[in-house]
Amino acid sequence: DAKTTQPNSMESNEEEPVHLPCNHSTISGTDYIHWYRQLPSQGPEYVIHGLTSNVNNRMASLAIAEDRKSSTLILHRATLRDAAVYYCILITQGGSEKLVFGKGTKLTVNP
Amino acid sequence: NAGVTQTPKFQVLKTGQSMTLQCAQDMNHNSMYWYRQDPGMGLRLIYYSASEGTTDKGEVPNGYNVSRLNKREFSLRLESAAPSQTSVYFCASSRTTYGYEQYFGPGTRLTVT
Repeated sequence: DAKTTQPNSMESNEEEPVHLPCNHSTISGTDYIHWYRQLPSQGPEYVIHGLTSNVNNRMASLAIAEDRKSSTLILHRATLRDAAVYYCILITQGGSEKLVFGKGTKLTVNP
Repeated sequence: NAGVTQTPKFQVLKTGQSMTLQCAQDMNHNSMYWYRQDPGMGLRLIYYSASEGTTDKGEVPNGYNVSRLNKREFSLRLESAAPSQTSVYFCASSRTTYGYEQYFGPGTRLTVT
């Protein structure tokens, strides 16, 4: 199964942009790249996902490298509420259905 | 829309006791999942059900059984609880398993003494 690699932790200041990286060098052509986040004492929350092209929604942007071996979740203006653990996971279309979350990146947002 | 609901929210069991964790979703999703999360760790998939009538093992299935009762409900059973099963259990659902976002319940905090 394709795996992802993320930094253990990152820090940002409030109202500044945050770029959260994810490496997935063994990604296959049918793997979707999903990002979730988990606030303290809550269940994970979907953030964004994409396949090949960059994606934007109200929460964040997802930039996918041309070779798809890495991606970056972009929070345009971090708020204190964005302090969470961010998970980058791959979901295989038509293949293995095992979903691997990994340990994620703990984002700290400083006021 | 309640989304994904789980019962109970908290549970304490003695070693060897059994219990069933209940999960229901009202979004007409085909796929449902059970995860566990140990302190300071990421989520690990226990079992999933790609569609009604099917279930498959995830990363850590030992010690658990599941039942996809109908399209809405997916239960997780611990037949003989062990301290190693102390964890927070999350249920999730998605439209299908292929490229669709998962919606998570609030979790069940289980302690086995």
